Amino acid sequence: AQSVTQPDIHITVSEGASLELRCNYSYGATPYLFWYVQSPGQGLQLLLKYFSGDTLVQGIKGFEAEFKRSQSSFNLRKPSVHWSDAAEYFCAVGETSYDKVIFGPGTSLSVIP
Amino acid sequence: DGGITQSPKYLFRKEGQNVTLSCEQNLNHDAMYWYRQDPGQGLRLIYYSQIVNDFQKGDIAEGYSVSREKKESFPLTVTSAQKNPTAFYLCASSKHRENSPLHFGNGTRLTVT
Repeated sequence: AQSVTQPDIHITVSEGASLELRCNYSYGATPYLFWYVQSPGQGLQLLLKYFSGDTLVQGIKGFEAEFKRSQSSFNLRKPSVHWSDAAEYFCAVGETSYDKVIFGPGTSLSVIP
Repeated sequence: DGGITQSPKYLFRKEGQNVTLSCEQNLNHDAMYWYRQDPGQGLRLIYYSQIVNDFQKGDIAEGYSVSREKKESFPLTVTSAQKNPTAFYLCASSKHRENSPLHFGNGTRLTVT
């Protein structure tokens, strides 16, 4: 069965520092991969997605992610973190049948001013 | 603006009572979903519907029921059979095609005492 792991439950970075959030997945075929962000008490917002093609994808708010098939990873990066980036981040994998998306447990990001 | 509306934002019920959570979308999306979110567990799929008058169980459907009488609406009933109903419930929708990302509402926090 497919699964998504996010090894870091919580990460703290200083404002202006770079950020990398890890995501690993288990899936037999080429997956559809997503990163979502959730502010406290809110719904989730799509940051970026990967379906095929260029393995480095750009998203909103200055985020990017790189798909590495050999490592089954889809890590999220941002070169310079802003205080407003503090939130919960979820990696997700979609099946070829679109109706099922599996979410990772999430990584909580804190930003120190 | 198009979006997904979940109401109410906070809901309190006594144990043994059924409660219905509302979800309405004006995005003209065919598919709708209900997820449950608990701390440290990510999102778990309760039910989903691809078309009107049809829906399927997700991973944790026991103790829940849904209906899809209109394209715009997908209410979720948390029944008294649900053993641990206190949680944050998220409704989402997507276009009827592969790869389509999920659009989320802002959630309903249900507390059962």
